[in-house]
Amino acid sequence: GQNIDQPTEMTATEGAIVQINCTYQTSGFNGLFWYQQHAGEAPTFLSYNVLDGLEEKGRFSSFLSRSKGYSYLLLKELQMKDSASYLCAVKDSNYQLIWGAGTKLIIKP
Amino acid sequence: DTGVSQDPRHKITKRGQNVTFRCDPISEHNRLYWYRQTLGQGPEFLTYFQNEAQLEKSRLLSDRFSAERPKGSFSTLEIQRTEQGDSAMYLCASSFPGEAYEQYFGPGTRLTVT
Repeated sequence: GQNIDQPTEMTATEGAIVQINCTYQTSGFNGLFWYQQHAGEAPTFLSYNVLDGLEEKGRFSSFLSRSKGYSYLLLKELQMKDSASYLCAVKDSNYQLIWGAGTKLIIKP
Repeated sequence: DTGVSQDPRHKITKRGQNVTFRCDPISEHNRLYWYRQTLGQGPEFLTYFQNEAQLEKSRLLSDRFSAERPKGSFSTLEIQRTEQGDSAMYLCASSFPGEAYEQYFGPGTRLTVT
């Protein structure tokens, strides 16, 4: 079967750094996406990794290790507006997105 | 272009009734996806189109669900004989073809079956 694992919930402090991990077991791999979803809203795209390594985009960075089936999303200089769910999704051999259940990130002042 | 739009935003229906949702993708995107999402879960793939062709449909999808994209632009998702288990957020997304392109999501239609 196909499986994507993320922590259910994490808490961090405003101004700090947090790392959200994602491990996956899928039938094939054609890229990994991270999305942000605020409560009651649609997911919005954050990052895409298809090769190993780190992709940096402003305060957000995403890392991929294909050999380990592992990715993480790193959020720096946390702001209250970063409180949201963060979804990891992998494109499998059929080019379909397989989604994790998401990590709810709570930011405290 | 203002992004992906969906209509209605909310729908309350009684069990056994039929419902239809509409999605208008970003005009340059020829791929259109339908997902279902329940609280605390990630989106669950339902089906997708490239232009007017429905290329894949989830094996988990009941025969009560049908989707169309007749002219390769907007799409409709119909649920017949709704059940309480159909209560969820129904999300539509669109993208360019090609595997590196991200999907842009609409605001969703929240369905409540009573």
